[in-house]
Amino acid sequence: AQSVTQLGSHVSVSEGALVLLRCNYSSSVPPYLFWYVQYPNQGLQLLLKYTSAATLVKGINGFEAEFKKSETSFHLTKPSAHMSDAAEYFCAVSDPTGGYQKVTFGTGTKLQVIP
Amino acid sequence: NAGVTQTPKFRVLKTGQSMTLLCAQDMNHEYMYWYRQDPGMGLRLIHYSVGEGTTAKGEVPDGYNVSRLKKQNFLLGLESAAPSQTSVYFCASHPGADRRNQPQHFGDGTRLSIL
Repeated sequence: AQSVTQLGSHVSVSEGALVLLRCNYSSSVPPYLFWYVQYPNQGLQLLLKYTSAATLVKGINGFEAEFKKSETSFHLTKPSAHMSDAAEYFCAVSDPTGGYQKVTFGTGTKLQVIP
Repeated sequence: NAGVTQTPKFRVLKTGQSMTLLCAQDMNHEYMYWYRQDPGMGLRLIHYSVGEGTTAKGEVPDGYNVSRLKKQNFLLGLESAAPSQTSVYFCASHPGADRRNQPQHFGDGTRLSIL
């Protein structure tokens, strides 16, 4: 069984401030982990992924995430928020041994960037 | 480079009407999925397919049917629409078992309202 918990359904940061979006997961096997971003009226776009290589993963638009097995966490960070980062972010966990690449999504965190 | 294309983008139905949502992918992916997205609930899997001619139930299959007659297409049907099926529907695809470390690719969604 696998699950994802995203702490905070809404996060507000000032432009130029650090962005930290939290994600904790549970999985019975070493998981694959993903962060997706969703802009209004669009589908989900991949930001970054962890698939058992380097634990610090860099993605698009200056985002990165660190896989911490001991904390079962995969938090998303960006040093300096930009207005264009306002969107909804989803953390997702996948069981790489599963039969159909089942992905379980968190409930999402809406990021507001204040000018 | 279309990726995953969903039609229609918007639709309003009356209770009891039927309709079919079409998903087409041009990446030669083996796996395809239908999700629904509701506020505060993330994405929930309705049905999925691991290859042409195969379909299987996901988490919330009741009231929906699917077909995958061609590898590139995955159809989602509502036989008798209910207001509880008002949602945003997303189609996704994945390369398949030999590329498990790849993410799912999403369409832009179909916004469906049932009156």
